[in-house]
Amino acid sequence: EAQVTQNPRYLITVTGKKLTVTCSQNMNHEYMSWYRQDPGLGLRQIYYSMNVEVTDKGDVPEGYKVSRKEKRNFPLILESPSPNQTSLYFCASSRDRRELFFGEGSRLTVL
Amino acid sequence: QKEVEQNSGPLSVPEGAIASLNCTYSDRGSQSFFWYRQYSGKSPELIMFIYSNGDKEDGRFTAQLNKASQYVSLLIRDSQPSDSATYLCAAFGGNYQLIWGAGTKLIIKP
Repeated sequence: EAQVTQNPRYLITVTGKKLTVTCSQNMNHEYMSWYRQDPGLGLRQIYYSMNVEVTDKGDVPEGYKVSRKEKRNFPLILESPSPNQTSLYFCASSRDRRELFFGEGSRLTVL
Repeated sequence: QKEVEQNSGPLSVPEGAIASLNCTYSDRGSQSFFWYRQYSGKSPELIMFIYSNGDKEDGRFTAQLNKASQYVSLLIRDSQPSDSATYLCAAFGGNYQLIWGAGTKLIIKP
């Protein structure tokens, strides 16, 4: 089954404790992207990757890091999380950057 | 700042009626437009896309595009309670990235 898998789905952490949200896709897509979704603000792109070892900033990259060492994986790293990073996070992949396949989402709370 | 604007709603429509969702965009370089549906607590899923001016129909859904007016709409005929969701409009911009609207919440009342 074609899918994008994110983990963890739910996480409560404390300010400053580094965390990684993993994302993996099995569709051989070159394009992958991370979004955060906050009430009233819609989807905002954090980082995206056009291919292995190619990443670029989206609209809200501050406080986040990504890497793309393998085509299928695109982890999101929060080096020192802060409460304003409490949000719902989605990973997505695509063959053409337009028709996106989303993971189920990761709800992060930073205390 | 390139933007996609949607009325946040909620838009309440009786079951069986036509739901009309609207979206405007500012980037004249946008060539293709997408409607994603997002159920509460779930991830967005693509339901329609349109590249050319005019109408595109797929089952009960019709997407309409007017590039001169920079306007995109989604019509849902014979609305069902299962259509209740937030509908996200997105434009594929000149920077080769999707630009997202904040979404319109649609409620279909039985």
